Amino acid sequence: LAKTTQPISMDSYEGQEVNITCSHNNIATNDYITWYQQFPSQGPRFIIQGYKTKVTNEVASLFIPADRKSSTLSLPRVSLSDTAVYYCLVGPKTPQFSGGYNKLIFGAGTRLAVHP
Amino acid sequence: DAEITQSPRHKITETGRQVTLACHQTWNHNNMFWYRQDLGHGLRLIHYSYGVQDTNKGEVSDGYSVSRSNTEDLPLTLESAASSQTSVYFCASSEARGTGSTDTQYFGPGTRLTVL
Repeated sequence: LAKTTQPISMDSYEGQEVNITCSHNNIATNDYITWYQQFPSQGPRFIIQGYKTKVTNEVASLFIPADRKSSTLSLPRVSLSDTAVYYCLVGPKTPQFSGGYNKLIFGAGTRLAVHP
Repeated sequence: DAEITQSPRHKITETGRQVTLACHQTWNHNNMFWYRQDLGHGLRLIHYSYGVQDTNKGEVSDGYSVSRSNTEDLPLTLESAASSQTSVYFCASSEARGTGSTDTQYFGPGTRLTVL
């Protein structure tokens, strides 16, 4: 199983760009990198997924270097509403067809606090 | 709109009692999951199901059981509640669409369970 390491917490200010890095040194060839966001008192929600290079959607960008041993979630111009816990997951794109969901592990996440 | 609901949202029970947490989704998703979330541990998978009559053990299944009699519901039962099972429980669902698609999990709002 690919173990992930993220900072426990980060602080930022409104309008800044925030980059959260996740280390996954033993990522497997077939593994994808997925990020979820969890607001207080809510369940997590999917943000973005990628395999290599760069992926961008309306919420965030995901940068993955060539060796894929780390990845960076980038949140442009954060606001107070981006205060949340961000989870990095590494595992099969579709666990159901790749050995089951025990291969997809949520770590402790990164607690991002955005200040005025 | 399709959604995933959990009930009750809060529950206090006593050690040794049987407790059942309900999860209901109207996405018509085949896959359903139960996680528990404890401080410092992120989310840990308890059980999951690929469809009716199918159940699979997750990372922390001891003391918990699930049954899947229809597509919409996956109740989680604690046969004999223990104080160590005090936690926030999240239900999730996802659609199995084949190996070419992202398996996004949609989470419910959570149930806070306290075992005294």
